[in-house]
Amino acid sequence: QVQLQESGPGLVKPSQTLSLTCTVSGGSISSGAYYWTWIRQHPGKGLEWIGYIYYTGRTSYNPSLKSRVTMSVDTSKNNFSLKLNSVTAADTAVYYCAREEVLSRSHWFDPWGQGTLVTVSS
Amino acid sequence: SSELTQDPAVSVALGQTVRITCQGDSLRSYYATWYQQKPGQAPVLVIYGKNNRPSGIPDRFSGSNSGNTASLTITGAQAEDEADYYCSSRDSSGNPFGSGTKVTVL
Repeated sequence: QVQLQESGPGLVKPSQTLSLTCTVSGGSISSGAYYWTWIRQHPGKGLEWIGYIYYTGRTSYNPSLKSRVTMSVDTSKNNFSLKLNSVTAADTAVYYCAREEVLSRSHWFDPWGQGTLVTVSS
Repeated sequence: SSELTQDPAVSVALGQTVRITCQGDSLRSYYATWYQQKPGQAPVLVIYGKNNRPSGIPDRFSGSNSGNTASLTITGAQAEDEADYYCSSRDSSGNPFGSGTKVTVL
């Protein structure tokens, strides 16, 4: 079955750029049926959708993060990436990648990566 | 901020039934999706669509939708059902997730 795995630095300095990659195995990222999504969770808090990228490169971002977020996809490597610039301590969170499927009256995220903790600190 | 509202916490006696609710205007048009998250783990999909369970999710989990409210019902709660539960719905406001409900099994 499809599995997702996040990778990237666990520590980022304030004002720098957070960069993560999600590698997809067991299925093709180029399948037109899915959106490839980043979600984060601040320590002890709820889930926050960051945005998604389609295999064509089309993106949609959370308006609250849009000015700082860039997502990209590499179909040859079957992975997609997140960049969040100008980070502060408020960006410290567990970052998840997930596959999103959408039907006319519903959408769902499944599967999820295991998550990676990114701490913003000098 | 979430446009979907959930009670922060509920408790249920072992073997009894608990209903977790989620309210929001988007639920008038879209079904809620439900996720279970245990400490230190990624969320797991438990209900999607009208009332569908992914493979491996016990049939004691069920979902329903009425007006602006969606519900997740656990019939015969087990100790392993103790977790945070998040609802989600297609939402153009930015964050499609509810605030989460912590379920404690007594």
